Amino acid sequence: DAGVTQSPTHLIKTRGQQVTLRCSPKSGHDTVSWYQQALGQGPQFIFQYYEEEERQRGNFPDRFSGHQFPNYSSELNVNALLLGDSALYLCASSERGGSNQPQHFGDGTRLSIL
Amino acid sequence: QKEVEQNSGPLSVPEGAIASLNCTYSDRGSQSFFWYRQYSGKSPELIMFIYSNGDKEDGRFTAQLNKASQYVSLLIRDSQPSDSATYLCAVLRGYQKVTFGIGTKLQVIP
Repeated sequence: DAGVTQSPTHLIKTRGQQVTLRCSPKSGHDTVSWYQQALGQGPQFIFQYYEEEERQRGNFPDRFSGHQFPNYSSELNVNALLLGDSALYLCASSERGGSNQPQHFGDGTRLSIL
Repeated sequence: QKEVEQNSGPLSVPEGAIASLNCTYSDRGSQSFFWYRQYSGKSPELIMFIYSNGDKEDGRFTAQLNKASQYVSLLIRDSQPSDSATYLCAVLRGYQKVTFGIGTKLQVIP
């Protein structure tokens, strides 16, 4: 039973570029959430997708956008990259719409902005 | 006031001792409480979740919840050096976003 898978594992970009990160949820899960984790901090919620729609959003600018596909996989897109976007980006999935359900994390994508 | 508060540590305990990790939260409507373990450079791993007041045990781990005091804790019995990691407390209310604390760094000294 495959867990949450994310790609790529590492990425190096320069300021102003855009990036797309991908996530496949755990089998049987229908809800995908994205987090940004800076060094020494807890994960910060970016947004959550359910039924191919953004259901919740954290305090992140519109440069951060996403998508969920019919097979429940998801993408996180970040435009006009800033140095401060360097972080570990985590995808987490949960079942039954995510209500009060535990979230399971992928291994993350380490994004470095030069 | 932060939504979920944890002492960042480090919390140092000798091998074989009980490690006690604490977390408080501000939203009285919170319904689900999770503990994640995160090794350096890795992603968080779910180790416990609790919904009701009281204790929930799983192996060497016990989660304790007191909703009246808005307090949740994690006890690790017979601590091992492999338990050395950052422990994240997370809180959820229905379909709302999961909110994480900053995490407590635990060091188990051999």
